[in-house]
Amino acid sequence: DAGVTQSPTHLIKTRGQHVTLRCSPISGHKSVSWYQQVLGQGPQFIFQYYEKEERGRGNFPDRFSARQFPNYSSELNVNALLLGDSALYLCASSLRTGSTPGANVLTFGAGSRLTVL
Amino acid sequence: EDQVTQSPEALRLQEGESSSLNCSYTVSGLRGLFWYRQDPGKGPEFLFTLYSAGEEKEKERLKATLTKKESFLHITAPKPEDSATYLCAVQAAGGTSYGKLTFGQGTILTVHP
Repeated sequence: DAGVTQSPTHLIKTRGQHVTLRCSPISGHKSVSWYQQVLGQGPQFIFQYYEKEERGRGNFPDRFSARQFPNYSSELNVNALLLGDSALYLCASSLRTGSTPGANVLTFGAGSRLTVL
Repeated sequence: EDQVTQSPEALRLQEGESSSLNCSYTVSGLRGLFWYRQDPGKGPEFLFTLYSAGEEKEKERLKATLTKKESFLHITAPKPEDSATYLCAVQAAGGTSYGKLTFGQGTILTVHP
């Protein structure tokens, strides 16, 4: 069974450009979350989507946006790239959202490594 | 604001030398505490979820415990393949974002043969 898949795996952009990162969740998972991981730090929450609706947003500027499609895949968009946006962008999916134990266990993809020059 | 602090930042062990990793947390209300393992160049891999103080879970050489202020990841007789970064994260109660975890900075574990 395929896990969480992300594309592209690596990309290089220059300051001011725009980037789109894509994520396909595990089959049957309806919730997708995005995280940013700067080298040497733990992942930081950016967004969560469930059933195509935004359910949570972290402390990131409006240059960051995301959406979820009817097939539950998702994309993260970052506009006007800054050097500080260089990081590993992780997508995670979970079965559903809610208080049921186990339902919120996040399964992460391998990430998209973004370098901004 | 939720906070997670992990110690030590890095830990070097000899194969078979047992030790513990610490995760201290501050959260308004805890829904769950998560442990993940991350290998270089890969995404975090789920290990355990703990929901209430006193709870313990085990998997092979790893055992996770939880109190009201901290969690420990005990590693018994580690092997070189246990070398990785271990991440602790908390999920706060309340709100609608069940996908939001607050992570610590991680503990880099190196096990020498």
